[in-house]
Amino acid sequence: SQQGEEDPQALSIQEGENATMNCSYKTSINNLQWYRQNSGRGLVHLILIRSNEREKHSGRLRVTLDTSKKSSSLLITASRAADTASYFCATDLYLTGGGNKLTFGTGTQLKVEL
Amino acid sequence: DTGVSQNPRHKITKRGQNVTFRCDPISEHNRLYWYRQTLGQGPEFLTYFQNEAQLEKSRLLSDRFSAERPKGSFSTLEIQRTEQGDSAMYLCASVGGAAFQETQYFGPGTRLLVL
Repeated sequence: SQQGEEDPQALSIQEGENATMNCSYKTSINNLQWYRQNSGRGLVHLILIRSNEREKHSGRLRVTLDTSKKSSSLLITASRAADTASYFCATDLYLTGGGNKLTFGTGTQLKVEL
Repeated sequence: DTGVSQNPRHKITKRGQNVTFRCDPISEHNRLYWYRQTLGQGPEFLTYFQNEAQLEKSRLLSDRFSAERPKGSFSTLEIQRTEQGDSAMYLCASVGGAAFQETQYFGPGTRLLVL
């Protein structure tokens, strides 16, 4: 079953506006990651935030994490048409042998219009 | 292109047939993962290899599914006696370097349609 739930399911904004997506999860985590998926480039890692971090930035991306509420948010500032994609949060769990299992949410479909 | 590659990209089959997908990870990545993604959902973990050893399998991986990574490089995922419910995108990801590296590099996926 899915670990996380994204909100909203779909979001449509104008180019230049900010987009905010939220993610809630159910169990304790090691880290939380955000991925982007579009038909052209597949699933691509965007940013990772560790369970002991509260906020992280990468370029136009800002991620927050509230472990007490089991929630995270992804903010994309000054959006561009190229940001049109589905965005997924994923919690990870360490596995035997040094691997980590990602459990994805249901995703937010973002459409950025010109 | 030195990314993860998957073949075929698309597969249409009739119910009851067997299918096999291949994943070539990034060179020297020792960890490899398979996920399945159905329409409108996020990917779901299926199985994980470290080198040639299959160390973790999801309950989603029924006995009709088998995955191998015989030489610790490429991997195959076989589905026997396919069912319509197997229709999905099958994604492969690889990771290299030290243990517990979190960023997974995904391939483009194989989209399976079972008629």
